[in-house]
Amino acid sequence: DAKTTQPNSMESNEEEPVHLPCNHSTISGTDYIHWYRQLPSQGPEYVIHGLTSNVNNRMASLAIAEDRKSSTLILHRATLRDAAVYYCILSPNLQNFVFGPGTRLSVLP
Amino acid sequence: EADIYQTPRYLVIGTGKKITLECSQTMGHDKMYWYQQDPGMELHLIHYSYGVNSTEKGDLSSESTVSRIRTEHFPLTLESARPSHTSQYLCATSFSAGELFFGEGSRLTVL
Repeated sequence: DAKTTQPNSMESNEEEPVHLPCNHSTISGTDYIHWYRQLPSQGPEYVIHGLTSNVNNRMASLAIAEDRKSSTLILHRATLRDAAVYYCILSPNLQNFVFGPGTRLSVLP
Repeated sequence: EADIYQTPRYLVIGTGKKITLECSQTMGHDKMYWYQQDPGMELHLIHYSYGVNSTEKGDLSSESTVSRIRTEHFPLTLESARPSHTSQYLCATSFSAGELFFGEGSRLTVL
């Protein structure tokens, strides 16, 4: 499976935008880019996914580089409830999901 | 939205016992997964299934086994539990749209 690289941790202030980067330089043409987050003591939850074009939903936006070798998850206004571990995952043909260490996001009041 | 049920939520058991962790879903999703996660650590895929009578091992070697006789059920079995099996086990499902839905997990402690 193609691998992703994320910073171990990031900090943000409440009500400010957060940009979480992910590098996936070995991505193949059939790999979808997924983002999940895991709040303390909970299972992961879906945030967003995309293939080539930027995507928006009620939780976040996903910006995908033109060469698809990197992507950025954008939380438009961080809240304390957004503090979690964020995982960037490549999924070949929407079939398999292998999680890495993720980025631990801290949100400061 | 998928409804995924994992039982038991918590289990404390002695070494050498056989255990089965149950995972059931009500949405008819074809794909099901088992992940193992130690506290504060990343998730590791240990088993997955793309449909009835289809099971595959994941990236992390595991002594557990799984079966998929019915679409709704994907039980995970440990024939002889050991302290090294102490962990949280998370079941997940997905369908063609690709979104993963997770259950609440089963936290296993082997003494």
